[in-house]
Amino acid sequence: AQTVTQSQPEMSVQEAETVTLSCTYDTSESDYYLFWYKQPPSRQMILVIRQEAYKQQNATENRFSVNFQKAAKSFSLKISDSQLGDAAMYFCAYRSQLNTGNQFYFGTGTSLTVIP
Amino acid sequence: DTEVTQTPKHLVMGMTNKKSLKCEQHMGHRAMYWYKQKAKKPPELMFVYSYEKLSINESVPSRFSPECPNSSLLNLHLHALQPEDSALYLCASSQDPATVYEQYFGPGTRLTVT
Repeated sequence: AQTVTQSQPEMSVQEAETVTLSCTYDTSESDYYLFWYKQPPSRQMILVIRQEAYKQQNATENRFSVNFQKAAKSFSLKISDSQLGDAAMYFCAYRSQLNTGNQFYFGTGTSLTVIP
Repeated sequence: DTEVTQTPKHLVMGMTNKKSLKCEQHMGHRAMYWYKQKAKKPPELMFVYSYEKLSINESVPSRFSPECPNSSLLNLHLHALQPEDSALYLCASSQDPATVYEQYFGPGTRLTVT
């Protein structure tokens, strides 16, 4: 099974600053999808950004962007101009392109604190 | 409408009780999931339904019984639970089991077993 590792259990950032959350994964597959999910204290998981492995261009969604390094199996999330509402648990997730049961593999999460 | 709804929001039950959790989506999604999540941990997959058929059971104890009555509804029947089953139970859905789409999550049901 694929494994997803988030080595930073907790991170903090000053409001309006930039922070990068790390994610690495282990797979023998060449085609797959990667996601960052955000879970605020209210608990609903929300998709932040998605990256297809076959795309070389890094995905961007407003203040959120990724640095996808396929050879290094690294998928970090950069949050620019951090806002108080960005405080949450962030989970990195992997999904095979193969129809292997629709399983998402989640990392252990990074708890992000935004300091006013 | 990109919403997955779950009821109830909170549930307290004794170890001899029988209760059910309900999940509903009206996005036309054909894959639905149950996850269990402990505090500050990632979601753990329990069950996957594809086209209303159970496709994955992650070795979940039989005291948890899923049911998919139709393409919009997913239930989780609970019986004779243990205190360690206390957790947040998340439902999710995705568009097409045969294609990779992101999952949409509901707000969860906070379950406490006494």
